[in-house]
Amino acid sequence: EAGVTQSPTHLIKTRGQQATLRCSPISGHTSVYWYQQALGLGLQFLLWYDEGEERNRGNFPPRFSGRQFPNYSSELNVNALELEDSALYLCASSLQDRGRNGYTFGSGTRLTVV
Amino acid sequence: SQQGEEDPQALSIQEGENATMNCSYKTSINNLQWYRQNSGRGLVHLILIRSNEREKHSGRLRVTLDTSKKSSSLLITASRAADTASYFCATVRNNNDMRFGAGTRLTVKP
Repeated sequence: EAGVTQSPTHLIKTRGQQATLRCSPISGHTSVYWYQQALGLGLQFLLWYDEGEERNRGNFPPRFSGRQFPNYSSELNVNALELEDSALYLCASSLQDRGRNGYTFGSGTRLTVV
Repeated sequence: SQQGEEDPQALSIQEGENATMNCSYKTSINNLQWYRQNSGRGLVHLILIRSNEREKHSGRLRVTLDTSKKSSSLLITASRAADTASYFCATVRNNNDMRFGAGTRLTVKP
């Protein structure tokens, strides 16, 4: 069974540009979660999608947005990039069981803003 | 915002010793989970304990949960160099909101 896949693995952008990060959940998982992990820090919750709908959002500005497609894959878009957006962005998926059996994480996309 | 807080922030032990990490949280939860992260990689789910459970075991891992104190501990017995990683607790509330602590960086010296 394929795990959660994220692409690209690395992304370098300049300040002001837009970044698009992608995530494919485990087959059968309908919920996708996005987290930001700045260097040496814990994970900050960004977004939760389930069945194509945004279910919850963390304390991030509106320039962080995303969507979930009918096949449950997801995109995270970051507009007007700032230097402090440089971080590892992690995607996780779970069954529609309210996380009661754990989440499966991808290996992340490392975004560097220069 | 963070929900859980782990302590210590960093822990260094010798191979064969036990490692204990603690997690405290602020709101009521549905379950609490522990994850491991090797340097800069994705997180690996280790163990989940539900709010009506007090203790759970999985191999060399033992997790306890005290909902009255809003705290949990992760014990790794007979540690190995390969256990070197960051360990995070994550709390899941009834709305499926999962929040992570800042993590404990464990170093096991051979």
